[in-house]
Amino acid sequence: NAGVTQTPKFQVLKTGQSMTLQCAQDMNHNSMYWYRQDPGMGLRLIYYSASEGTTDKGEVPNGYNVSRLNKREFSLRLESAAPSQTSVYFCASSAGGLTGAADTQYFGPGTRLTVL
Amino acid sequence: GNSVTQMEGPVTLSEEAFLTINCTYTATGYPSLFWYVQYPGEGLQLLLKATKADDKGSNKGFEATYRKETTSFHLEKGSVQVSDSAVYFCALSVWDYKLSFGAGTTVTVRA
Repeated sequence: NAGVTQTPKFQVLKTGQSMTLQCAQDMNHNSMYWYRQDPGMGLRLIYYSASEGTTDKGEVPNGYNVSRLNKREFSLRLESAAPSQTSVYFCASSAGGLTGAADTQYFGPGTRLTVL
Repeated sequence: GNSVTQMEGPVTLSEEAFLTINCTYTATGYPSLFWYVQYPGEGLQLLLKATKADDKGSNKGFEATYRKETTSFHLEKGSVQVSDSAVYFCALSVWDYKLSFGAGTTVTVRA
């Protein structure tokens, strides 16, 4: 039982390049999330997927797109990377459904992205 | 909107010292409150949570009580160990599952 896995762990891009961050969970969770972590700012929600087939914007969606490929997988795409997107990216999942506000999120190990 | 304010760090303590990290919140509705911990080089993991007023969450010697009257959820541990060195995040969630995080508090425990 691997929990939440993310690939790659590290990535360096040049401005304007594109890339996709992959995330998968094996807990049969309904909901999945992408966050970015920047020093002194905690984690900020980029996009989330409450259930398979749905995606919604979070707090900081500009410059990103997402795909909920199936119940297990949720990818984050940077179409044209900018230095402001240098950050650590975390994927998370939760049961969702009727758990409501008590829902616990489970996090992957993160991807450290640098955009030059 | 929903927001969390937590004590700024970094906090440096000696082993066996008492740790308190303050957390206050603003929320519409009735939030659940969480403390997540991030060990060096790892993702976040749930430390404890409380889902209604006066609930106490506890785990690994850490405790926090949901205080609705003061809109607070302070984290405490009576005797810290070097292995408790980490970044601690206070967070809240309302009906829509999304978490709102505080900025995080870095705690370093020296032997």
